Amino acid sequence: EVQLLESGGGLVQPGGSLRLSCAASGFTVNSDGMSWIRQAPEKGLEWVSGIDESDGSTYYADSVKGRFTISRDNSKNTLYLQMNSLRAEDTAVYYCARDEGWEHGHWGRGTLVTVSS
Amino acid sequence: EIVLTQSPGTLSLSPGERATLSCRASQSVTNNFLAWYQQKPGQPPRLLIYDASTRATGIPDRFSGSGSGTDFTLTISRLEPDDFAVYYCQQVAFSPRTFGQGTKVEIK
Repeated sequence: EVQLLESGGGLVQPGGSLRLSCAASGFTVNSDGMSWIRQAPEKGLEWVSGIDESDGSTYYADSVKGRFTISRDNSKNTLYLQMNSLRAEDTAVYYCARDEGWEHGHWGRGTLVTVSS
Repeated sequence: EIVLTQSPGTLSLSPGERATLSCRASQSVTNNFLAWYQQKPGQPPRLLIYDASTRATGIPDRFSGSGSGTDFTLTISRLEPDDFAVYYCQQVAFSPRTFGQGTKVEIK
């Protein structure tokens, strides 16, 4: 059974950093594309970043480009999102997802990131 | 980036009725790479439809997707109590893979 478990969220001050983790089971993170999607409180979904299964190419939304970095550790079967220079508008629940094709076929339960002083 | 506009914002219907949700793209979605998701409160989204019209594994056949180019539709043929939720479309043809703002299907 495919499972995704996010961790690493919490309260951080503006300008600070956090690293989110997404532990995968039931498949290997380098066998499929993976993505991070976020949802601000009471708002819609925003795709944040993705990584290809084949060559590890990475993609970012303009809103996070240059501040966030997606990566994966195959030995730990874990996906990461390094978030730097955090802003209030980055406050959201962050979901990791396994991509099937380019769609997000399996989702974790999410981890809440709050950026506030 | 491609902007997706969903309509209506809210759909008030009764169980057993038909729901028709619209998703319009600001430019043509190549290969009809458009997906639909369902989200219930406190839960992550669930993939319903991909490639505009293909149901994901385990999705009941009362859910159907149609459309091409810039205009896409999600139809729920007969609403069941479990179907009242928010629905999002997403284009996956181009990066960034943008979502629509969502349509809430609520009980009338």
